[in-house]
Order: sequence, then structure tokens, then C-alpha cells
Amino acid sequence: DGGITQSPKYLFRKEGQNVTLSCEQNLNHDAMYWYRQDPGQGLRLIYYSQIVNDFQKGDIAEGYSVSREKKESFPLTVTSAQKNPTAFYLCASMGVEGDNEQFFGPGTRLTVL
Amino acid sequence: GESVGLHLPTLSVQEGDNSIINCAYSNSASDYFIWYKQESGKGPQFIIDIRSNMDKRQGQRVTVLLNKTVKHLSLQIAATQPGDSAVYFCAENNQAGTALIFGKGTTLSVSS
Repeated sequence: DGGITQSPKYLFRKEGQNVTLSCEQNLNHDAMYWYRQDPGQGLRLIYYSQIVNDFQKGDIAEGYSVSREKKESFPLTVTSAQKNPTAFYLCASMGVEGDNEQFFGPGTRLTVL
Repeated sequence: GESVGLHLPTLSVQEGDNSIINCAYSNSASDYFIWYKQESGKGPQFIIDIRSNMDKRQGQRVTVLLNKTVKHLSLQIAATQPGDSAVYFCAENNQAGTALIFGKGTTLSVSS
């Protein structure tokens, strides 16, 4: 089956720790995205990458970092510099040709204890 | 700045009614719009999209209308079912065409 997988589904972190969220896609999409969603809110863009070894900051990049070493993978690290990291994190991918539809993963819920 | 908003945070309808969810956008240069459905604890799912060279597009039980004059987008769901209960987001592409900008969402509740 083609799609986007995120792991883990639930993640707990102590304050001051860095944590990395996984996102993998087998859709052969060039572009990948990370969003943050808070309760009752829309999706806010953290980082995105349109091609391997390149990525751009979104609207709320502070306290986060990413890498894009492989086309299939776009891991997100939530660093200790992120002051309010508890949220639902969504990864998406999109082919750069044709429609701009983004396909989303199932999400990771991060809770800081 | 760029922003996408929705008129109402919640909408309650009876099963079988038609639902209309509205969205206003601010970037008159946007040329692509999309509606997503998000069920609790899950990632958003694509419903329907429309390009700015169209006013209307129909899918299965859903219709998207685009009014570029007033920068308004709507999603119509025919014969709403309990399974349609979810949060619905509209989104537009950003000025560079490299990412989507999402609105805050409308929660649709369908009662039997």
C-alpha cells in the first residue's frame, strides 16, 4: 500500500529533552511537510522540503529542526528550545507535478511531561 | 499577510440535510483551493479541490464553490450522514505555490 507513515503515534517527553518524530512516504513524492496542530486550531506549517537535501522554514520553525537526506524520509526534531511542544504533529507529502493535493500521515501526538 | 479563515467554528445538522461550510480567504492571487476532512485523532483526508479558473466543482455528494470576487469558498455536502461528522478545513496555496495555508476549521456535527 502506498502512503505516509508516522511513528510513534504517541510520544511522551520530559522537559529539556530533544525528541525526533519519524515520517516516511512511499508515494515517490518530492515535497514533504511538517505541520503542528493545537486543540481547536488549524494546521501551522513548521518546515517543508521540496527536494532532497533542501528544506525551508515555515511559519513556526523556531525550536524545531529537520533533515531530508532521503526522498522517502523527513524526520522532525523537537528541541528543548521549543517552549510549548505539546501538540499533534502531522506530516504530509505532495508530488510537484499536477495538483497541489497534500497527502497526510496519521499524526504523532507529543506530550511533554 | 496570507490567511484563510472560516465563518463558523461549529455547524450542527440533522441526518439527511444538506450542509454548507464556508471559508473566506485573503490572498487574491491564490490559484488553488482544497477542502480536507479530519476525524478525531487522525490526519486530514482530501475531499475535493478547485483551481481559480473554475467556479464550481462536483464530487460524490460534495460540491465546492469558488467566488473570486468576494474571495469566498464553500463546501456543500448533500444528504449529510453521521459519518460526515468531523472537522473540515479549507486551504489555499501560498504566494510561492510551495505550501498550503490552512484555516482554523469548522466542526460538523450530524445527529440522527
